[in-house]
Amino acid sequence: EVQLLESGGGLEQPGGSLRLSCAASGFTFSSYAMSWVRQAPGKGLEWVSGISGSGGSTYYADSVKGRFTIYRDNSKNTLYLQMKSLRAEDTAVYYCAKDEDERVRGWYGHWGQGTLVTVSS
Amino acid sequence: SYELTQPPSVSVSPGQTASITCSGDKLGDKYACWYQQKPGQSPVLVIYQNYKRPSGIPERFSGSNSGNTATLTISGTQAMDEADYYCQAWDSSTVVFGGGTKLTVL
Repeated sequence: EVQLLESGGGLEQPGGSLRLSCAASGFTFSSYAMSWVRQAPGKGLEWVSGISGSGGSTYYADSVKGRFTIYRDNSKNTLYLQMKSLRAEDTAVYYCAKDEDERVRGWYGHWGQGTLVTVSS
Repeated sequence: SYELTQPPSVSVSPGQTASITCSGDKLGDKYACWYQQKPGQSPVLVIYQNYKRPSGIPERFSGSNSGNTATLTISGTQAMDEADYYCQAWDSSTVVFGGGTKLTVL
């Protein structure tokens, strides 16, 4: 059974940093692209970033480019999102999502339960 | 940047057919997929690669994509289908979601 367990969310001040983690199990982690998708309170889904199965290709939404870094440790079956220069508009539930391809395509057959990031002073 | 447009809301009577559209420039040239999200839950993939259903998704869910419009169709809509639905496509190295459609079954 595929399981994705996010952690690392919490309250952070504007300008601060947080690192999210997503521990994966139940599948061959290195064979699948992974992404972070967020959802602000009461709003729709917003793709944040994606990474190929090998980790060789990374992609970012314009809203986070230069501030967030996605990476993965295939030996630990874990996906990460390093977030810096946080803004109030980054407040959201952050989901880890597994693609159905080695390349990032947005076909997310499995999602984690989400971790809440709140950016506020 | 690429945009996908969905109607904010759609209403349907139980047992009837619901259609939710998603519009984008030359969307038919891309793969579209659809997600269902119920309150307090993570999204669920219901259609991928335009018309394919993941295992466990009921046959009443179907999809199509042509021209500038992708459509999610729910036949024989049930009360349990009431949810938010999001379309999604991949364009220029980014994943794009539509704004979402709230499906009300009444």
